[in-house]
Amino acid sequence: GDSVTQMEGPVTLSEEAFLTINCTYTATGYPSLFWYVQYPGEGLQLLLKATKADDKGSNKGFEATYRKETTSFHLEKGSVQVSDSAVYFCALSRNKGAQKLVFGQGTRLTINP
Amino acid sequence: DTEVTQTPKHLVMGMTNKKSLKCEQHMGHRAMYWYKQKAKKPPELMFVYSYEKLSINESVPSRFSPECPNSSLLNLHLHALQPEDSALYLCASSRIPGLAGGGPYEQYFGPGTRLTVT
Repeated sequence: GDSVTQMEGPVTLSEEAFLTINCTYTATGYPSLFWYVQYPGEGLQLLLKATKADDKGSNKGFEATYRKETTSFHLEKGSVQVSDSAVYFCALSRNKGAQKLVFGQGTRLTINP
Repeated sequence: DTEVTQTPKHLVMGMTNKKSLKCEQHMGHRAMYWYKQKAKKPPELMFVYSYEKLSINESVPSRFSPECPNSSLLNLHLHALQPEDSALYLCASSRIPGLAGGGPYEQYFGPGTRLTVT
């Protein structure tokens, strides 16, 4: 079945550092890929998405590119802020019907000032 | 308005109690979802409603009973829960792709109900 694997956390960085959170997936066909973020005490928010190979999703300085050849969707940001501290989930979904999201385990990110 | 609201925010219930969680959205979304999230884990899908009909039940125990009375409301009725059911229960909604495609669409999540079963 479909699955998503994220790099183990937690990840701790200093403000203005470069961020990469790795995400790889296993799925047949061409799923859509997402990054969701969960701030403390809140539900999940969509950060960015990509629906086909070579698409680049971007939002709030974060970027991820759908790489079919490596089945990856790594999240990057050039300069992180304290406010980026949260849990980040990589997820995939099929493109038909009511969408079932398959999540990775989540990566807890802490940014120190 | 892109908000999904959930009530109550917190709920403590005994194993013999009956309670309900409520979720509401006014974005015109016709898919609504219940997820269960344990601490430091990703959300696990429980149920999906499409056009007010149950379309996915992820083999959830019958002590959890979902209901979708109309396109804006989603309830989760709880009865005879176990302590291991303590978790954050998240509701989400989304559009549904038409026959011409266009999906999948973003799921909008509520803040969740923190449930403790004693």
